[in-house]
Amino acid sequence: AQKVTQAQTEISVVEKEDVTLDCVYETRDTTYYLFWYKQPPSGELVFLIRRNSFDEQNEISGRYSWNFQKSTSSFNFTITASQVVDSAVYFCALSEVGGTYKYIFGTGTRLKVLA
Amino acid sequence: ETGVTQSPTHLIKTRGQQVTLRCSSQSGHNTVSWYQQALGQGPQFIFQYYREEENGRGNFPPRFSGLQFPNYSSELNVNALELDDSALYLCASSLSGAGVTDTQYFGPGTRLTVL
Repeated sequence: AQKVTQAQTEISVVEKEDVTLDCVYETRDTTYYLFWYKQPPSGELVFLIRRNSFDEQNEISGRYSWNFQKSTSSFNFTITASQVVDSAVYFCALSEVGGTYKYIFGTGTRLKVLA
Repeated sequence: ETGVTQSPTHLIKTRGQQVTLRCSSQSGHNTVSWYQQALGQGPQFIFQYYREEENGRGNFPPRFSGLQFPNYSSELNVNALELDDSALYLCASSLSGAGVTDTQYFGPGTRLTVL
């Protein structure tokens, strides 16, 4: 069965600190996709990144970076020099390939960035 | 913004009533997925519609049903509402086809409260 675990329920940091959000997944598929979404208080899920299982290259986008390690089934997300606007709930998700491509979400990590 | 719209924004119903939620997909997308997000939880997959046909269903009872129209907009219907149906209902649109696995882009959601 597919499963996504985000063990950190809530993290609080002071502005300008770096913070890493953990994501561990389980799947029997060899081909799959991993995602990160941000959910601000407004409720809309904002897409941040998609990574397929064959691409283990780390990615950096501005202050955001992602570390994908198949050996440990992890797809961690780091925000460098955090800002108050980064405060939100962040979800990691796993998608099968073929069929419905339904997303399996973790329970989310609430990030609070304090000024 | 993703171009995915949902209506209404908020809705209050009483137990036993029926409700219809609506979603307009992003231009060019042919697939709509619906998710239920209970408070403090990650979104749970309800079902997906591709070219007006149901293309997969999560672990939800038959009183959750849907439609997709020729313009790819979609409706989610819930009959015999129960208190546990209170949640944020998210619609996501994507482009599906042979060899295509597009990212799902989410709308702002409809918050349903059942009293």
